[in-house]
Parts: sequence; C-alpha cells; structure tokens
Amino acid sequence: ETGVTQTPRHLVMGMTNKKSLKCEQHLGHNAMYWYKQSAKKPLELMFVYNFKEQTENNSVPSRFSPECPNSSHLFLHLHTLQPEDSALYLCASSQAVVTSGRGGNIQYFGAGTRLSVL
Amino acid sequence: GQQLNQSPQSMFIQEGEDVSMNCTSSSIFNTWLWYKQEPGEGPVLLIALYKAGELTSNGRLTAQFGITRKDSFLNISASIPSDVGIYFCAGRWGAQKLVFGQGTRLTINP
Repeated sequence: ETGVTQTPRHLVMGMTNKKSLKCEQHLGHNAMYWYKQSAKKPLELMFVYNFKEQTENNSVPSRFSPECPNSSHLFLHLHTLQPEDSALYLCASSQAVVTSGRGGNIQYFGAGTRLSVL
Repeated sequence: GQQLNQSPQSMFIQEGEDVSMNCTSSSIFNTWLWYKQEPGEGPVLLIALYKAGELTSNGRLTAQFGITRKDSFLNISASIPSDVGIYFCAGRWGAQKLVFGQGTRLTINP
C-alpha cells in the first residue's frame, strides 16, 4: 500500500465512449502526476499539478483532459480515444514540485489503471 | 532534453546469483531514485540517493550515486524469486522533473 489509490484497476472502452480515471492520495502531498506506460517504452509524463494548478502538459492530445479539484484527488477524463491509447495509466504524488531539497520530489505511485481501447 | 540510458534491458539469471544494473545520464543529477515494478502494480520506491559517491542499502539491495553525478548503479545480492520485476532508475536536477530510464526486466530461474 503506497498511499496512492487508483480506480478502476481495469477499463475497456470503445472509441466513442467517455470515461474517467480517478486517483486519490492519502500522503498529504501537494503535487500529483499522470503517467502513461506502454510496452517497451519509458514512463511518459503526461500532466503535473502542483497545489491544484496544472504546471505541465507534455503535449498530450486533447482527448485526455485532467482535473484536479484538490490536492488529494486527480482525475483523467477520456473521450474519443484511439486504440494506440491502450496502456497502463499511472498516477503519482509527491510533496511539491518546487521543493528541491532531499525527498521533496520523490514520487509515490498508485497501482495504475490498465486501459484497453477497442 | 535529459536522457537516461538504463542497461541491461533484460536479465535472465539463476536463483542465488547477484545482479547488477546501471543508468547513465546525458547531464548531471543531484537525485537518483531506484524503483521496482511488479506485474499489475505501479512502481515502488526502493532506494533514494542524494549525494555523489553515496552508497545506500535496503536489505539485499545496494545502490550507488556515481561520483561523476551522471550515473547510478543498483546491485541485488543472492537473488530470490520475489526479486522478479522491472527495475527503473530515475533522476533529477534541482526542482526539474524526474526523468525515468527504460527499465531492466529481471527474470529468475529457480
């Protein structure tokens, strides 16, 4: 148990569906992240939120829409996805992005949502 | 941008053998992290390193922060079946974003 919970664990959706991924952290952190993990590729950072404000969008297509209502919750809204979007989507949290001292940016990951787009 | 080269990409070993893997960066870091990911789970932090030359252990795992600040090493001694998984290095400089290696997939034959 890492203190970061992601739901659902598995999701199958059609290209015309709309779905949302949820992430909740119980670590008192102020930064939250979405990553995409595809087979045989490094972890790809998608979005970063620091104190509820989006600080990074790594050229992610608009069919992925993040939402961070508070420092403990992060959502990823999905619509009109493509089959190549099938992957493991990981959420992570850390103390705060601006903290550069020891341990400040250690990210703790959830177990991920395995997404399949048909 | 910053790049991490992690090697080897995969390892097939016998139970009881020692394991070594490393990461090299195109630029210097002041933090190195090592994670392990098991099937169906997210990465879990194993060891964090903050100083050039630092050597830190976590049970049978030992990691070192290279003195050039551009590399890091992870060793696993006397491997056991539960060591199976993908090991990722990650590094950063200051408050910049964490950069991840491609991972080393470890398979152990009993």
